[in-house]
Order: sequence, then structure tokens, then C-alpha cells
Amino acid sequence: GAVVSQHPSWVICKSGTSVKIECRSLDFQATTMFWYRQFPKQSLMLMATSNEGSKATYEQGVEKDKFLINHASLTLSTLTVTSAHPEDSSFYICSARAAGEGWTEAFFGQGTRLTVV
Amino acid sequence: AQSVTQLGSHVSVSEGALVLLRCNYSSSVPPYLFWYVQYPNQGLQLLLKYTSAATLVKGINGFEAEFKKSETSFHLTKPSAHMSDAAEYFCAASHSGGSNYKLTFGKGTLLTVNP
Repeated sequence: GAVVSQHPSWVICKSGTSVKIECRSLDFQATTMFWYRQFPKQSLMLMATSNEGSKATYEQGVEKDKFLINHASLTLSTLTVTSAHPEDSSFYICSARAAGEGWTEAFFGQGTRLTVV
Repeated sequence: AQSVTQLGSHVSVSEGALVLLRCNYSSSVPPYLFWYVQYPNQGLQLLLKYTSAATLVKGINGFEAEFKKSETSFHLTKPSAHMSDAAEYFCAASHSGGSNYKLTFGKGTLLTVNP
């Protein structure tokens, strides 16, 4: 299957600083990428959908200015958590999907554990 | 709106026993259906998918699932559980087409396998 690489796998930052998480599709062009947040022992919550070259579409209740998403190329999307606070600590997961009807599933990165202290 | 329901947040089986994880979807149009597995502190790995071809779908690691439209179900099974199957399992649904592709996830089922 296609490979999605997410980096870093874990990060600890101080409250008030910003953190950038990268999501790369290694062997396919990802026209659409998705960012999820997962709380302990819970399901994935979709935060936003990004299409290459256009602004991300955020889900209701997700702060656009807090969670900046950039999808500048067909293989890279980034999520920046700005002015992070302890309540932003969570597991963040990206997924990517290629264009075309033959691609029916999205492929997931390995996730990033963010801890804000 | 589409929704996915996983019955049982926690399923415990003995090693070698049958694994049955339940998933029901609510949609007027049969969606694409997926089962993913998640190990601690990792992303999701696709086990299998239904995309309107064969109703019995075989996946990796000996898992399979059967799409039953009359029951709006897509239950995941494995004849004999292995210790390495212990993980969180998510059922998800999506509709084809459109410029975006959104997965609706169930709440997940934690599978524990007892020796």
C-alpha cells in the first residue's frame, strides 16, 4: 500500500510556543489530506481537510487560527499548532488520498504525540 | 448524515477463539466501508475494505468482513485470535465521489486477547 510519513512522532513543547507537524506521501501524490485529533481511548476527530493549492476546510468548532494547515505541494501538508497550551496536548494523525476513482481509501501517518508543558 | 456504530467498546477473547467485532452504518446509500487497526501510539492500518464488489471481503492477518445491506452491517471476524491481534479496531464509512473524501469513524473497539 501507499506510505504516509508523519514527523515528528512525538514532541514536547512549552506553553505559548508553536509546533509544526509534517505529513508526507512518499510514493503517491496526495491531492487531499486530512488532519485528525485523537483523545485517549477515543475515536478520531476530523479537524480539517486540505486540498493541494487551496485553503483548508475546517470542521465546526476547530479554530482556524490555532491550527494552521498548509498543503503547498502534492506530497506535503503541515499542521502548525500556534501558541500551544496544555489542552492542545493530544495525538494528531494525518491521512492522505490520491486522486482518481481507483483510490478508494486514505492512508494514515503514524501519528504525532504532542505534549504541551 | 452518515454514522457508524460499533457495538461493544471492549471485546475480550481467548487466544485461538473466534473474533467478532460489530459495525453498523446508517446511510440511505451503501457507502464504502473500512476496518482499520490501531496499535498503541501508532496511526491506523487498513485491514480491509468494501467498495461494492464482493460482499465478503478478505483482509490482512486473517481478518474478513461481510457486507450485509439488509442489516446495514459490516462485521469483522477472524476464526482464531492471536495475541498480536490485541489492538483498537475502527470501522469507518465513506461515500464515493465528490471533491473531498471524508471518513466517518465508529468509536472503536478495544480487542484484548487472553492467553
